[in-house]
Amino acid sequence: NAGVTQTPKFQVLKTGQSMTLQCAQDMNHEYMSWYRQDPGMGLRLIHYSVGAGITDQGEVPNGYNVSRSTTEDFPLRLLSAAPSQTSVYFCASRTGVAGGASRRKDGTGELFFGEGSRLTVL
Amino acid sequence: ILNVEQSPQSLHVQEGDSTNFTCSFPSSNFYALHWYRWETAKSPEALFVMTLNGDEKKKGRISATLNTKEGYSYLYIKGSQPEDSATYLCASIYNQGGKLIFGQGTELSVKP
Repeated sequence: NAGVTQTPKFQVLKTGQSMTLQCAQDMNHEYMSWYRQDPGMGLRLIHYSVGAGITDQGEVPNGYNVSRSTTEDFPLRLLSAAPSQTSVYFCASRTGVAGGASRRKDGTGELFFGEGSRLTVL
Repeated sequence: ILNVEQSPQSLHVQEGDSTNFTCSFPSSNFYALHWYRWETAKSPEALFVMTLNGDEKKKGRISATLNTKEGYSYLYIKGSQPEDSATYLCASIYNQGGKLIFGQGTELSVKP
């Protein structure tokens, strides 16, 4: 049971470098999302996707890009890393969005999380 | 931006105490509310998904209620145990588009 797989688990970057956090899920979930966790702030939504080819911004999208070319993968790109992006990043997916391809009616499925990626930007 | 608030921010109780936390969310366009349990060094795991006003869910010693008209949900833990120590998160889905917005969490510490 792979579930949601994130790589890398740890990464240290210098300011201005770029990198991609990878996320893959094998549950055929339509909805995928990226969150960042900072002390005292819970989980803040960066970007999300309700299906292949569809992405949208969350609460804190600046400095991050995403794409969704397949159902399984949802990479998060940092184009020019800044110290403010030092955080723990979580990818999460869930079952069908109401009206989506899976034809679930309710769109309320619980999130399944990856193990997290700790990013430090110096 | 949907504003989901949780209180208290942290809670310290003794083993055997019962406790409860609050999650507040805008009631307009409400679609569903989730509760998650997040242990240190692990990933969050779902406890409950609630959709209907008056919903009550229970899993062992943990239960939750939902009031969609006034925009709040309570999570109750009966007879807290040290293994209940974790951060408890709620998240609201505010329309069928499905994005989940989390509150800041309540950190529970249960002392033996």
